Amino acid sequence: AQKITQTQPGMFVQEKEAVTLDCTYDTSDQSYGLFWYKQPSSGEMIFLIYQGSYDEQNATEGRYSLNFQKARKSANLVISASQLGDSAMYFCAMREDLSSNFGNEKLTFGTGTRLTIIP
Amino acid sequence: NAGVTQTPKFQVLKTGQSMTLQCAQDMNHEYMSWYRQDPGMGLRLIHYSVGAGITDQGEVPNGYNVSRSTTEDFPLRLLSAAPSQTSVYFCASSYSSRGQQPQHFGDGTRLSIL
Repeated sequence: AQKITQTQPGMFVQEKEAVTLDCTYDTSDQSYGLFWYKQPSSGEMIFLIYQGSYDEQNATEGRYSLNFQKARKSANLVISASQLGDSAMYFCAMREDLSSNFGNEKLTFGTGTRLTIIP
Repeated sequence: NAGVTQTPKFQVLKTGQSMTLQCAQDMNHEYMSWYRQDPGMGLRLIHYSVGAGITDQGEVPNGYNVSRSTTEDFPLRLLSAAPSQTSVYFCASSYSSRGQQPQHFGDGTRLSIL
């Protein structure tokens, strides 16, 4: 079974609109972390935002916010006021078993969503 | 502030050749990992290390070896290149703490096996 599912292979959004990128996950661990990365056409992986399973509030970083619904096992990325520079691949990733000292180096990635911002 | 440095950026090999992808980080991170990225499959973990002298297998380890003799370096060796190993390879590192420390990625190595 997929541990991270991103159901939107591609999305087109008008500039200045908000956009939500979906991510659902599957884990039996109680302590885990969810990450979003951006990969522009140049290829590098850029960390955007993190949500811990025990965090009481949804994470926010500038125009990025994470809509975390623990019971539904979803961690959707919301980008407000989209810009042309937001066009990229976006990956959701999970780090499981945070209670272990040896879990931090392993991320499980989804297949990504290609976001295109239309002027 | 170099971060995670991968060399080379591009490489073409013939089937059966061996080579080493280099990865170095200057952030004193204990944790380092190698991923491969294939179209439609996201990133998959090949091998990882929790510190110098300690390595372990990830999801797709076959055909690859790693070693970690220093904190800074984590090379990935292809023993006998196969066309199925054509991919983009990313090295990543992170702090030795639990939780929210993100992995920092290198810029990737694009490898083609003919």
